[in-house]
Amino acid sequence: DIQMTQSPASLSASVGDRVTITCRASQGISDELAWFQQNPGQAPKSLIYAVSNLESGVPSRFSGSASGTDFTLTISSLQPEDFATYYCQQYHSYPLTFGGGTKVELK
Amino acid sequence: EVHLVESGGGLVQPGGSLRLSCVASGFIFSDHYMDWVRQAPGKGLEWVGRIRNKANSHTLEYAASVKGRFTISRDDSKNSLYLQMNNLRFDDTAVYYCSRRPAASSAGVYWGRGTLVTVSS
Repeated sequence: DIQMTQSPASLSASVGDRVTITCRASQGISDELAWFQQNPGQAPKSLIYAVSNLESGVPSRFSGSASGTDFTLTISSLQPEDFATYYCQQYHSYPLTFGGGTKVELK
Repeated sequence: EVHLVESGGGLVQPGGSLRLSCVASGFIFSDHYMDWVRQAPGKGLEWVGRIRNKANSHTLEYAASVKGRFTISRDDSKNSLYLQMNNLRFDDTAVYYCSRRPAASSAGVYWGRGTLVTVSS
C-alpha cells in the first residue's frame, strides 16, 4: 500500500497568513493526488485534483504543487472560512489512501 | 446540482449486519465510479471501496480491512449505491460517506453528508 505522510498534524495561523501543508508519498504516484477540506461535523469537500487543478468554485488562494513524491497545498492568504482540517489522497493505486490530516487552527 | 444522500446507519451489535444506501441526483449516475469512505469518531478518512461504472462492468475494489465482509453494489436504474456490511466489528464504527468520482460527462469529486454506523454491545 502507498503511505501518505502528511505534515504538520496541526498548525496555528492568523487570518492573512500564508499556510503550507505537505504530503509525502511512500512511492511514486504520478500526478494522482487530491486535496480535501473538512469542517467539523461536515462532509469533506474537494479542493484540488491532479496535484494542482482547482475544483470548480474553489478560491484561487488555494494552490497545489509537487516535487517528486512530495506534494504541497498552499493557502496564500488564510481566510476565516479556511480554518478546517485538510487531507491529501492518492488515487494512483489501490487501496486509495489518505494522509492523516492537518488541522488549521486560529492562533 | 449534485446531491448524494446516505441512509441506513444505526446501532448494531458486533457480528451483525447493516445495509447502507446512497441516492444520487443531479448527474448521470451510471457514468461515474462511486466510492465509500469512512471516518471513525475523531479520526481521519479511510477509503472503504469502489464500484466502477457500467462501461467498466461495475467491477469492484476493497480495502483489506473490509474485504470479505463488505459488499458494494449499485442499481443504476435507481441512481443508488449500496454498502452491505456483514460480521461488523467494533472498529467499523464510523460515519460512512458515499463519494462520486469525476467522469467525462461531469467533473468534480462530490461527497454525501454521511450516515453514522455504531457497532456496540
